[in-house]
Amino acid sequence: GAGVSQTPSNKVTEKGKYVELRCDPISGHTALYWYRQSLGQGPEFLIYFQGTGAADDSGLPNDRFFAVRPEGSVSTLKIQRTERGDSAVYLCASSPTSGRVETQYFGPGTRLLVL
Amino acid sequence: AQTVTQSQPEMSVQEAETVTLSCTYDTSENNYYLFWYKQPPSRQMILVIRQEAYKQQNATENRFSVNFQKAAKSFSLKISDSQLGDTAMYFCAFMKPHGDMRFGAGTRLTVKP
Repeated sequence: GAGVSQTPSNKVTEKGKYVELRCDPISGHTALYWYRQSLGQGPEFLIYFQGTGAADDSGLPNDRFFAVRPEGSVSTLKIQRTERGDSAVYLCASSPTSGRVETQYFGPGTRLLVL
Repeated sequence: AQTVTQSQPEMSVQEAETVTLSCTYDTSENNYYLFWYKQPPSRQMILVIRQEAYKQQNATENRFSVNFQKAAKSFSLKISDSQLGDTAMYFCAFMKPHGDMRFGAGTRLTVKP
């Protein structure tokens, strides 16, 4: 079956612009995670959804970052007034449940470059 | 807060040899999970192996095995019979139940022919 997909694979934008990054999880996976990976670093947690609701958004760096998952499947990470420091790879992962720990399956990421 | 430390930024190994990647973590939790993920240049994070903290037996997956020392909070990865395709970044990760995953900074492994 299909894995986690993310679009676009690369995004170049100008400072101050708004961007949306999309994640399609594995079908049937109820938990969805967003991570940010800066160059030379490990992924850093941003937000976690269980179904349609954000169960934990403690990793979002500030109020310019927002994510939604309106139907409990596809999720969109939204970044307002982008800054050069937002440049990174944004990774999405999904897992079957959150009631017990399951392995997270990652997408290929979206590389965001803010000029 | 949980932290994960990978003290080896880079490692290299000859093809067919064995290499061990180190990982330590800090937590006050008793029940948790540990993972090793591989990230090739394609950026795709691929699960290599996982270990439940309540299991004393070390996990193994073909050429990959772990040495899990709970008291020492150590979780090293051993790769046997290294192959060129093993060249990648390797990330150690910690996860508690109902929690997010915390990653180390990674070890860049190069397998030399």
